[in-house]
Amino acid sequence: GQNIDQPTEMTATEGAIVQINCTYQTSGFNGLFWYQQHAGEAPTFLSYNVLDGLEEKGRFSSFLSRSKGYSYLLLKELQMKDSASYLCAVRDRSSGSARQLTFGSGTQLTVLP
Amino acid sequence: NAGVTQTPKFRILKIGQSMTLQCAQDMNHNYMYWYRQDPGMGLKLIYYSVGAGITDKGEVPNGYNVSRSTTEDFPLRLELAAPSQTSVYFCASSTTGETQYFGPGTRLLVL
Repeated sequence: GQNIDQPTEMTATEGAIVQINCTYQTSGFNGLFWYQQHAGEAPTFLSYNVLDGLEEKGRFSSFLSRSKGYSYLLLKELQMKDSASYLCAVRDRSSGSARQLTFGSGTQLTVLP
Repeated sequence: NAGVTQTPKFRILKIGQSMTLQCAQDMNHNYMYWYRQDPGMGLKLIYYSVGAGITDKGEVPNGYNVSRSTTEDFPLRLELAAPSQTSVYFCASSTTGETQYFGPGTRLLVL
């Protein structure tokens, strides 16, 4: 099985930088995803890491350390529209061809003016 | 492309009633998934399919059934609705199994 932990809530100020952490335990790690979910809406894909290091996409970056079972999502120049839940999801090799994901409970980020 | 569509958007059921949640995608994706999301929680996988005619159970399949007669459609069936099935249901699809694209969700209330 898999265990995924991320903080329940975070608050940050508009224009600031925030880092959302995710730790996981899995027997056969095969990729980590970050999704953004606004209230009442569907999750949308943000980033994917399968190798160690930093992946940058505009204001958003995601980091992975497989040896530590750790990832973070970094959001720069925060905007009010970034207020949302951020879901960490892990894919395990045991999921085989089905490419199943196991999701964390999500981190609710509130951006204050 | 419409992407992933789901109907209905919202439904109220009485205990013991049955219903089918519809999901369709027009991206020719082989992989399709059904999740449920309870308030303040992450997504739990109910059933998934790797192609037409092939389905398998996820983490929380009890009380649900699925079928996959075509690549495009992946309906989820609730036979005897229970209050514990009150949730938001998301359908998702992917092509290579990497990024999953989600539908807008169906909000189900069982009273």
